[in-house]
Amino acid sequence: TQLLEQSPQFLSIQEGENLTVYCNSSSVFSSLQWYRQEPGEGPVLLVTVVTGGEVKKLKRLTFQFGDARKDSSLHITAAQPGDTGLYLCAGAPRGTSYGKLTFGQGTILTVHP
Amino acid sequence: DAGVTQSPTHLIKTRGQHVTLRCSPISGHKSVSWYQQVLGQGPQFIFQYYEKEERGRGNFPDRFSARQFPNYSSELNVNALLLGDSALYLCASSLWTGLEQPQHFGDGTRLSIL
Repeated sequence: TQLLEQSPQFLSIQEGENLTVYCNSSSVFSSLQWYRQEPGEGPVLLVTVVTGGEVKKLKRLTFQFGDARKDSSLHITAAQPGDTGLYLCAGAPRGTSYGKLTFGQGTILTVHP
Repeated sequence: DAGVTQSPTHLIKTRGQHVTLRCSPISGHKSVSWYQQVLGQGPQFIFQYYEKEERGRGNFPDRFSARQFPNYSSELNVNALLLGDSALYLCASSLWTGLEQPQHFGDGTRLSIL
C-alpha cells in the first residue's frame, strides 16, 4: 500500500485543456512537495506546501494543501506541450525526524499540440 | 553553480556482481540522500547521510550500503546484484537534514542487471 496515492496515473490531453492531479494519504504530513521529472533527468522541485489550506501559484500551476494536511492537488490551466512529464508528490509523515521523502507513484502527463 | 553530479550515467552489470555509484552534492550542501526509482514508479528512499553519518535508512536489504566523505560526496554500494536491482539510482543533496530543506536531485545512474 502506497503511503501517498496519486491519481490519475496517466493523463493524455490536448494543448489548452485544464487538468488536476491528486495526491492523497491517510497520514498527516508536515509538508508536501511537488516535483516534475522529464525522461533521463532527475526530479525538479516545483513547490513545497506547509500550512493546511495553503494555496501556491506558479504561473499556470496552482498547488493546494488540504486543511487536514493529508492531501494535495496540482491544477494546470491551459496546458502546453512543455508541461509533459512525470509529476510526483512527496512528503514526510509527521514525526519523521530526518529528511526521508516518501514519493507517490507519479502521474504521467502528455500534452498533445 | 554546478548541480548534483552523479557517475556513471549508465552501467550494465550481471547478477552477483557488485557496483559503486558516486554522487557529488551542490557546493555547500552537507546532506546527501539516495533513492531507487524503478521504471513506472516514484523514487524510494534508501539512505540519508549528513556530516559523514547515516541519518536515515529505508527498507532495503543489507546488500545496500553507503558512505559520505569529508568533502560531502557520497558512494552507494550494492553487493550480490539481483535482476530486481535494475533501476535509476538518484542522489539528492540539501543544506542539512531538515524536512523543510528542498532536495536537489542529480540526473541519476541507470543500472541494468543482465
